Amino acid sequence: QVQLQESGPGLVKPSGTLSLTCAVSGGSISGRYWWSWIRQPPGKGLEWIGEVSHSGITNYNPSLKSRLTISLDKSKNQLSLTLSSVTAADTAMYYCARNSPNYCQGDYWGQGTLVTVSS
Amino acid sequence: QTVVTQEPSLTVSPGGTVTLTCASSTGAVTSGYYPNWFQQKPGQAPRALIYSTNNKHSWTPARFSGSLLGDKAALTLSGVQPEDEAEYYCLLYYGDAWVFGGGTKLTVL
Repeated sequence: QVQLQESGPGLVKPSGTLSLTCAVSGGSISGRYWWSWIRQPPGKGLEWIGEVSHSGITNYNPSLKSRLTISLDKSKNQLSLTLSSVTAADTAMYYCARNSPNYCQGDYWGQGTLVTVSS
Repeated sequence: QTVVTQEPSLTVSPGGTVTLTCASSTGAVTSGYYPNWFQQKPGQAPRALIYSTNNKHSWTPARFSGSLLGDKAALTLSGVQPEDEAEYYCLLYYGDAWVFGGGTKLTVL
């Protein structure tokens, strides 16, 4: 059973950098999968942030692209997200998810980690 | 900026049938948008229900089905159960990015 677990600072200062990791267990991150980050501001809907393939190819939300980096660390079996120049609008629950072949999105999700941007 | 539109809210009686739709600001939704559907209950992570228009996961109850309806993607619940009360999100593919719909709050009453 694949399990994903997000982790990172719960509080980030405005203009700072948000860094999160997602540890994957029960399966290899190097398989035929893509891995996504999704976020959800409190009381609002889901927003697709971006994704990375097992070979390191990335696709990003155009509205976040200039501030965003998503990568894989195969040695640690985890993926990471870095979002720079954050503002209060980046306050959200951040989820990582696995995507399977045939455009199957988010068949496994982490429980999410809440990040608040505040001074 | 691409916008994916869902009904903000719907109400259905237990045992009834309801259809949720998902429209794209770019035009008709086709199979090439690979519609995915998710269910989210309060305090929980989303759970995948449908991928690539009409494919179910092993855990997806038989009463859930996906389709294309006119120029939209659709999720139909037949024989609705009280536990189906939740927020439902569609997700569409735009070549090198995915976009979520705003979500439909389904009330079972």
